[in-house]
Amino acid sequence: AQSVAQPEDQVNVAEGNPLTVKCTYSVSGNPYLFWYVQYPNRGLQFLLKYITGDNLVKGSYGFEAEFNKSQTSFHLKKPSALVSDSALYFCAVRRGSARQLTFGSGTQLTVLP
Amino acid sequence: DTEVTQTPKHLVMGMTNKKSLKCEQHMGHRAMYWYKQKAKKPPELMFVYSYEKLSINESVPSRFSPECPNSSLLNLHLHALQPEDSALYLCASSQRGTGDEQYFGPGTRLTVT
Repeated sequence: AQSVAQPEDQVNVAEGNPLTVKCTYSVSGNPYLFWYVQYPNRGLQFLLKYITGDNLVKGSYGFEAEFNKSQTSFHLKKPSALVSDSALYFCAVRRGSARQLTFGSGTQLTVLP
Repeated sequence: DTEVTQTPKHLVMGMTNKKSLKCEQHMGHRAMYWYKQKAKKPPELMFVYSYEKLSINESVPSRFSPECPNSSLLNLHLHALQPEDSALYLCASSQRGTGDEQYFGPGTRLTVT
């Protein structure tokens, strides 16, 4: 079985401040972890993934995420938030041999000008 | 080209109608997916095609019928839908491997009246 939790439904941050969107996961075996972003009335856009290797993963639009095996976390971060980062963010996990992605419940990020 | 296209963008249908949703990708991906998404919720997997064969059906009602005519195209045939089937229907594709990210189309907004 595999599951992922996003403990915050809503995150508000001021423009220019660092942002963090939290994600924890539960999976047997090696996890494949993903972050996606969804703007209103659009499909999901891939941001970054962790498969193996360096625990700090860099992705699109200045986002990065840190894989922490001991805490089973994969938090999304950005050093300086933009108003245009406001969107719905989904963390997802896939067990090594599985075809299905399991999504978290989503976190609405609002960056205030 | 990392684009997945979906047509139509919007669809309104009565409960007795038959309609089809279409999805196309030209990235050479061998896995294609249909998801259903309600507002502000994570996508729910419906079907997975791998090498043009149906590999996963997540207990979806038979009023939804998928079809994969070739490696670039994916259809979802709709018949006798219910109002609760109103949602955003997302198509996605990925390379064969389980560590590969999925690329999503913009979706079809379906309203069943």
